[in-house]
Parts: sequence; C-alpha cells; structure tokens
Amino acid sequence: KQEVTQIPAALSVPEGENLVLNCSFTDSAIYNLQWFRQDPGKGLTSLLLIQSSQREQTSGRLNASLDKSSGRSTLYIAASQPGDSATYLCAVEGGSEKLVFGKGTKLTVNP
Amino acid sequence: EPEVTQTPSHQVTQMGQEVILRCVPISNHLYFYWYRQILGQKVEFLVSFYNNEISEKSEIFDDQFSVERPDGSNFTLKIRSTKLEDSAMYFCASNRVGAGGTDTQYFGPGTRLTVL
Repeated sequence: KQEVTQIPAALSVPEGENLVLNCSFTDSAIYNLQWFRQDPGKGLTSLLLIQSSQREQTSGRLNASLDKSSGRSTLYIAASQPGDSATYLCAVEGGSEKLVFGKGTKLTVNP
Repeated sequence: EPEVTQTPSHQVTQMGQEVILRCVPISNHLYFYWYRQILGQKVEFLVSFYNNEISEKSEIFDDQFSVERPDGSNFTLKIRSTKLEDSAMYFCASNRVGAGGTDTQYFGPGTRLTVL
C-alpha cells in the first residue's frame, strides 16, 4: 500500500528565503507525482506534475525534482513571499486513477 | 479559465440524514473523482467515475455512499445515513485523461459537511 510522507510538517521562514519541502513515497511504481497548494478552507491548486520518466519540472519560482528509485521528491521555492504561505501537498498517482496524498507541509512566510 | 464548482460550500445535517453533495466538473473532462479530508488529516480518495460507471473505490466508500452523473454536467455524491465520522471536507475533481496520463486532477473548492 502506497504511503506518502512529508517533512517538515510546518515551516516558518522570513520573506526572501529559499526553501525546500520534502516528500517521500514507499512504492516507486508511480505514473506521476504532483505538488498542490491548499489555502485554509479552500480547494487544492495544482502547482507541478512530474511524470515518472522526468527528473524535474519548473514553474516560475517553483522547482520540483523526482528521484523515483529512492522514492523522493523535493519542492524548491525561491525567494519566498508572504503570498506563498499555504499548505503544500505532495501526491502520487500509481497503478490506478487515485491520488495518494501526504499530510502536507504548512508554510508560513513572514514579512 | 474553466474550473470545478461545488455546492453547497457548507452543509450541516443531523446524524442519520441523507445528504447530496453536488459538483460540476470541467466540461470536456471525462474522469471524475471524490476525495475527502477530515480536519487535520490527509486528503483521502473515495471513488473514481468514468463512462457512467465507478472505476475504482476505496474501503471508505461503503454501501452508504453512492455517486451519480444525473445529466451531462452534474456529478453527485450521496451519503444515505450520515454518521458523525462523515464530518469532513469533500472535494470533487476531474480530468481529461485517466490513470497514467499527463493531466493533473482539477479540484473544486470543497463542501464542508458537518454532521451533528
């Protein structure tokens, strides 16, 4: 059974800092790995999708990497801003249509 | 930009009552999903739906749950007899391509269900 773990559970940084969020998964047989953003009481917004054959994806200040063999992904956020404050969720799709989510990292960027 | 919509945003019900949560997926999408998130917990998969059939369901999705696409635009989740532990945020999602595709699942804003 696929398990997804995210560390740290929470992170507080000053504005402008570069930061890394970590995600690990137990079963490397995945189709893709996705990073989502969740604002309090709101839905999930897709940030990046990395297919299993890819090593990384970039969107603006966000860069996500995937090491399928070791079951790890990182989300790198450059020059963080207060508007980046949210919970970041990692999810994997493997062998079926469902996404398996981690519990998330709650990020606070302080002005 | 097209988006998934859900109604109501918040539903309060008494234990044992039936509730129907409604979703309008993105119009050209073919695959539909329901997930739930109990407060402070992970987002959990409930069910996927394609071509008017359930394609996969989790162990959470027991006989108390059902899904339906009653027309060309709506996708509903029914809970027949709600329990306290059904209190959660319920998310609808959709995408164009199913398993193994390159397309993300697009999530709605959620319905917060509170069972008293």
